[in-house]
Amino acid sequence: DAKTTQPNSMESNEEEPVHLPCNHSTISGTDYIHWYRQLPSQGPEYVIHGLTSNVNNRMASLAIAEDRKSSTLILHRATLRDAAVYYCILKKGSSNTGKLIFGQGTTLQVKP
Amino acid sequence: EPEVTQTPSHQVTQMGQEVILRCVPISNHLYFYWYRQILGQKVEFLVSFYNNEISEKSEIFDDQFSVERPDGSNFTLKIRSTKLEDSAMYFCASTRNRGGGSNQPQHFGDGTRLSIL
Repeated sequence: DAKTTQPNSMESNEEEPVHLPCNHSTISGTDYIHWYRQLPSQGPEYVIHGLTSNVNNRMASLAIAEDRKSSTLILHRATLRDAAVYYCILKKGSSNTGKLIFGQGTTLQVKP
Repeated sequence: EPEVTQTPSHQVTQMGQEVILRCVPISNHLYFYWYRQILGQKVEFLVSFYNNEISEKSEIFDDQFSVERPDGSNFTLKIRSTKLEDSAMYFCASTRNRGGGSNQPQHFGDGTRLSIL
């Protein structure tokens, strides 16, 4: 499975944008880029995913580099509720089981 | 919005005892998963389940573990003879479409905290 690299932690101020980076230099052509987050004492929560093009949804935006070797999750206005561990995960296009391989993720702190 | 629900939220069991963790996936979902998270560590995949069969399992999922979908709504994880190292949060997840699919989000429950004494 291709690996992802994320910073261990990041800080943000409330109501400011947050850019969470992820490197995945060994990504293959059929790997999807998924982002999940885990709030304290909760299960992981799907945030967004993409393949090649940038994606937007109500939670966040995903910017994917042209060579697909990196991506950035963008929270447009951080709130205290966005404090969580954010995971960048590659899922094989050929996978029939859909398992997720979690890394350590980035712990995001949001300061009021 | 439909949710994956897990019961109990906390289970305390003596070492060597059997334990069953229960999950109710989202009703129209077809792929089911169990993950675990030991305190302070990563979330780890245990097993995936589709069409009443295990699709894939990890090295963690040894003979002490089993999964079952006993009826149309429940999905269970059984640990036959618990060990101290089985203490962890156990998360159930489900996915809507057949084949899991790389573009299908997984929906997770809030987990069962299993404590082995």
